[in-house]
Amino acid sequence: EIVLTQSPGTLSLSPGERATLSCRASQSVSSSYLAWYQQKPGQAPRLLIYGASSRTTGIPDRFSGSGSGTDFTLTISRLEPEDFAVYYCQHYGGSLFTFGPGTKVDIK
Amino acid sequence: EVQLVESGGGLVQPGGSLRLSCSASGFTVSSNYMTWVRQAPGKGLEWVSVIYSGGSTYYADSVKGRFTISRHDSKNTLYLQMNSLRPEDTAVYFCARGQAGRSFDYWGQGTLVTVSS
Repeated sequence: EIVLTQSPGTLSLSPGERATLSCRASQSVSSSYLAWYQQKPGQAPRLLIYGASSRTTGIPDRFSGSGSGTDFTLTISRLEPEDFAVYYCQHYGGSLFTFGPGTKVDIK
Repeated sequence: EVQLVESGGGLVQPGGSLRLSCSASGFTVSSNYMTWVRQAPGKGLEWVSVIYSGGSTYYADSVKGRFTISRHDSKNTLYLQMNSLRPEDTAVYFCARGQAGRSFDYWGQGTLVTVSS
């Protein structure tokens, strides 16, 4: 069973700054099946990135995904006030789906 | 417009049962793979179960043998039958539609299940 680890647990940044979020898998995984979600309090998750680097329709281009093997990254180039939220990575493999524990991006 | 609306949550005693429903509009449930994901209070997301268009189903180890995912094609609705409920099953349960890359593009607003005596 693949375990996803996200770091840091919390990222404190100011609007306009760059955010770099990490998702590490316990073993090499297919980048085709790595996704990123944003969740705000009281709301359902929102799909940002799938296939490690493909942005979902309607997601601003300040969000980008990269990585392969065991290490994946979500980058927010310039934080907007609405970007402060919790971010989860998710993987599919062996008929099972797995979420990482999340990274909270909060206002410094 | 794609919409997913969950219902059926509530308070149930340990050992009890509950059936969640997820009514879909704007697309055909049977033509997509659909999933249930839950979130315990203050915790992260946990995948629960998936049903594919061909009818294959899979479950997380934590619910295997107790939960059953199904769908009613003519009602365009997804279900999650939950039996032998435990306090650790307390969570908001979301249904979601699967898309490319084994990711989930549309989500419902969630329904709260509380297992407590």
